[in-house]
Amino acid sequence: QKEVEQNSGPLSVPEGAIASLNCTYSDRGSQSFFWYRQYSGKSPELIMSIYSNGDKEDGRFTAQLNKASQYVSLLIRDSQPSDSATYLCAVPRGGGSEKLVFGKGTKLTVNP
Amino acid sequence: EAGVTQSPTHLIKTRGQQVTLRCSPISGHTSVYWYQQALGLGLQFLLWYDEGEERNRGNFPPRFSGRQFPNYSSELNVNALELEDSALYLCASSLKGAAPRGYTFGSGTRLTVV
Repeated sequence: QKEVEQNSGPLSVPEGAIASLNCTYSDRGSQSFFWYRQYSGKSPELIMSIYSNGDKEDGRFTAQLNKASQYVSLLIRDSQPSDSATYLCAVPRGGGSEKLVFGKGTKLTVNP
Repeated sequence: EAGVTQSPTHLIKTRGQQVTLRCSPISGHTSVYWYQQALGLGLQFLLWYDEGEERNRGNFPPRFSGRQFPNYSSELNVNALELEDSALYLCASSLKGAAPRGYTFGSGTRLTVV
């Protein structure tokens, strides 16, 4: 099993809809989880971090974490064309090494 | 506050040549990370430096090397370039601490090997 897995997509949603992006991870000891957004040709930008089970909301973004299922998701409400990007899930490698392992990303397209 | 800065932004090299990429972290950050993002592949971890020392290394051949200077800036060196080294090279920095806080990436260096 890969350390961090994401559906590669592409995921296409209409403007105004909810986009749901999913990520699973293999290391049960992971304590923190990150979502990055990467526009085409640009570098990744940290948009959400989550450390505890449950939901964390920031504007239109909600991160959900379920450690028992080793599952983290990102919901984007009221999706906008400007949300069209690749979303990367990242999990630190166990043992406090501070190395982040990234999934391959899910490409999201929001259609006007 | 200035972000992570990388130079150059673009580079074209010939197979077999050597290249040096540079990174300046955010002020106060002591850790610098290098990643490679080749077309169609995810971000692959290359190197982690903290306080001048190499702390971790990814699964890359020895021709990928680097160093961190006393001011915490860093260089990534790639020797004997191969075509598959063509990629976006990203540098990130963070504060040192027991729990990762997420990286801030620079804008990257796009390397093309011909």
